[in-house]
Amino acid sequence: GQQLNQSPQSMFIQEGEDVSMNCTSSSIFNTWLWYKQDPGEGPVLLIALYKAGELTSNGRLTAQFGITRKDSFLNISASIPSDVGIYFCAGLNYGGATNKLIFGTGTLLAVQP
Amino acid sequence: EPEVTQTPSHQVTQMGQEVILRCVPISNHLYFYWYRQILGQKVEFLVSFYNNEISEKSEIFDDQFSVERPDGSNFTLKIRSTKLEDSAMYFCASSGRTDCNQPQHFGDGTRLSIL
Repeated sequence: GQQLNQSPQSMFIQEGEDVSMNCTSSSIFNTWLWYKQDPGEGPVLLIALYKAGELTSNGRLTAQFGITRKDSFLNISASIPSDVGIYFCAGLNYGGATNKLIFGTGTLLAVQP
Repeated sequence: EPEVTQTPSHQVTQMGQEVILRCVPISNHLYFYWYRQILGQKVEFLVSFYNNEISEKSEIFDDQFSVERPDGSNFTLKIRSTKLEDSAMYFCASSGRTDCNQPQHFGDGTRLSIL
């Protein structure tokens, strides 16, 4: 089946540092999404990408949809303590019957003040 | 901002018992989903629902599972005879119109603990 691998698995950084995480797929998607999950809560949508090569920002977050449609990255600039959480990429092939999301393995981010 | 709401937040049940997890999707959304997350693992798709019927289901969604939209606002997941391995967070999600690629929005989940 389709698999999304995220790297790194975890990151421990100092407040103020920039962060970069990556997601690669064994197959093509036509939509990439990035979600953040805090403990005990559901995934919260951060950024949605709809076009190969697209670069989109949301405040301190920037994400890109890879040209091959098999990868995406998420950057966080000037990290702050509330950035702590698990970041999941998710791929979707919109236009099918279901639009189910395939989630990545997650990147755990810890930010030390 | 509209939200997906789920109840209960935590459900503890004896193995073999039936459970019903409830969700109120965002009001103008047409697609509804259930996902599962076993502790420490990634989120996995269970089932999608559109126009009052299942659109797709995963291998996890066997005969013990069923979904229903009993009225205009609720969307439920029923597990008929729970097993220990059903212990997980269950997330409901919804998304908008079929002619527009709109992302799915998730509720905060129900933690299901099977004893």
